Amino acid sequence: KAGVTQTPRYLIKTRGQQVTLSCSPISGHRSVSWYQQTPGQGLQFLFEYFSETQRNKGNFPGRFSGRQFSNSRSEMNVSTLELGDSALYLCASRTPSGGSYNEQFFGPGTRLTVL
Amino acid sequence: SQQGEEDPQALSIQEGENATMNCSYKTSINNLQWYRQNSGRGLVHLILIRSNEREKHSGRLRVTLDTSKKSSSLLITASRAADTASYFCATDAGGTYKYIFGTGTRLKVLA
Repeated sequence: KAGVTQTPRYLIKTRGQQVTLSCSPISGHRSVSWYQQTPGQGLQFLFEYFSETQRNKGNFPGRFSGRQFSNSRSEMNVSTLELGDSALYLCASRTPSGGSYNEQFFGPGTRLTVL
Repeated sequence: SQQGEEDPQALSIQEGENATMNCSYKTSINNLQWYRQNSGRGLVHLILIRSNEREKHSGRLRVTLDTSKKSSSLLITASRAADTASYFCATDAGGTYKYIFGTGTRLKVLA
């Protein structure tokens, strides 16, 4: 099976712009989670989508939003970018809970730089 | 902060030695997972241990879990230069699947 893929891998934006990141989960996985990783704050949970519904949400401002499509692909959007949004954005997919299905499989990440 | 703590923050050892890193967390859990990350890349899942398990092995990895102390440890035996990476624990925050990651341990294995 192909792994989790994320596009683009690198992105440079300026303050005030908005950005959309994409994540394609492993085939058959219906849950997609997004994380932000920065040197100062570490890995922080943004949100999780399951069957096109946001099921969990972290403590991020409303500028961070996401959605999931019927094929389980997910997008994350950040509006009005700030310098502090520069980070590695990781998405992870997993099968529905139960049995050994709680493992998360991560994509390579999108490195966003805000100038 | 909800974030878990890992100890030590950094560890440098010689090839062939064992490496032990510890993780403490704050909430009840259904499971705890360990991940490896190489230099700013995606995370690789290493091992999952459920809350009703005390110890689990996978190759050169041994994980223990003490739910009464809300702590876990990861032991890498006979370390190799290729084990150089950051290691993170992640907990499922009381079964919410809102995974909370620890601060990570940077392991450097010297050849």
